[in-house]
Amino acid sequence: GAGVSQTPSNKVTEKGKYVELRCDPISGHTALYWYRQSLGQGPEFLIYFQGTGAADDSGLPNDRFFAVRPEGSVSTLKIQRTERGDSAVYLCASSLQGFTDTQYFGPGTRLTVL
Amino acid sequence: AQTVTQSQPEMSVQEAETVTLSCTYDTSESDYYLFWYKQPPSRQMILVIRQEAYKQQNATENRFSVNFQKAAKSFSLKISDSQLGDAAMYFCAYRTVTMNRDDKIIFGKGTRLHILP
Repeated sequence: GAGVSQTPSNKVTEKGKYVELRCDPISGHTALYWYRQSLGQGPEFLIYFQGTGAADDSGLPNDRFFAVRPEGSVSTLKIQRTERGDSAVYLCASSLQGFTDTQYFGPGTRLTVL
Repeated sequence: AQTVTQSQPEMSVQEAETVTLSCTYDTSESDYYLFWYKQPPSRQMILVIRQEAYKQQNATENRFSVNFQKAAKSFSLKISDSQLGDAAMYFCAYRTVTMNRDDKIIFGKGTRLHILP
């Protein structure tokens, strides 16, 4: 595709519900990243995929957060038992091969947990 | 641990004037990358400029240039001939050269830039 796309653009859910956020990277990019951006803050790293495998998931805040990339392209960030503190913009980025390459960001998904 | 500090939460500049955004960082590494990203209201982070620490020459991209002072751990962004489209949040970011488990892209808290017509 022309750029990184993310769906949905906005997601409102109730506390305790399960949500899935989708990221479609630039075609041919093997590396994919998820970040979380809270209000008034810069993005914080969550997880990095190289191909299908998570090369680094040390930024995931707890075991309610999980991400997959089964075919090495589209990725889904999954949040179980959502809490109000999970409200943020979730950004996805991709790069051609790895962490040294320029990362191209998507427009993000704004998650609001009521 | 590495940190990135942007001490100016907001700045304003007159259209066509020049503005400088400040960024300092802390690291014990000798080689690393520094970035400035722009985030307009559309939320999409756009890479403005990238500097590799081992290169002494300051990076330049059209109206955007940096003043990289390695010893002072300072990395400021200068925007010349400011345009209305430059209005956005600007984030300074750091990462090491090699991807180890504890190395991430670390972003500052951002500076909101207003362009006055």
